[in-house]
Amino acid sequence: KNEVEQSPQNLTAQEGEFITINCSYSVGISALHWLQQHPGGGIVSLFMLSSGKKKHGRLIATINIQEKHSSLHITASHPRDSAVYICAAPRNNQFYFGTGTSLTVIP
Amino acid sequence: NAGVTQTPKFQVLKTGQSMTLQCAQDMNHEYMSWYRQDPGMGLRLIHYSVGAGITDQGEVPNGYNVSRSTTEDFPLRLLSAAPSQTSVYFCASSPFQGGSEKLFFGSGTQLSVL
Repeated sequence: KNEVEQSPQNLTAQEGEFITINCSYSVGISALHWLQQHPGGGIVSLFMLSSGKKKHGRLIATINIQEKHSSLHITASHPRDSAVYICAAPRNNQFYFGTGTSLTVIP
Repeated sequence: NAGVTQTPKFQVLKTGQSMTLQCAQDMNHEYMSWYRQDPGMGLRLIHYSVGAGITDQGEVPNGYNVSRSTTEDFPLRLLSAAPSQTSVYFCASSPFQGGSEKLFFGSGTQLSVL
């Protein structure tokens, strides 16, 4: 069993829709990372959060450390949001990654 | 700042050949790491380093060697390539160990072993 589970695996949305991607983890951690992998393959870090909520533009990430669950929300989705979104849980200097959610936003 | 520079971008090897994937960062980061990404499996940690002279194994270390002689460089060596090592490889760095800082990724290396 993977220590980090993401859902859904694939997601197709119409432009403007509100999107939620979920991440659950079994390891005991103090922080969680959300990454974005572009269609060209490059990976960038979106958020690192240890409690509550963080917002960057139309992206909002929330975490509940006690319930071992985090969500990434995208408001007013746009085709340029199409990418793979990956959550990562660090523990003892090692990162454990979800398998990613492939998001396609249709104009 | 160049960030994390990873080379080459593409490589084709024959079974049994050796090669080194280069990774360099100019941000004075303590933590550096190597991952492989395979379809349906997500990123998996190969080796990591928390500072010059210190390396440790990750989830899938077999068939790979690393060294960290300087803060800037963290090369990954394949001693005798096997088809199972066909994958996309990413190097990443972070200011500090522990996972409480953002990860910065290189652009990736697509490796095919025939």
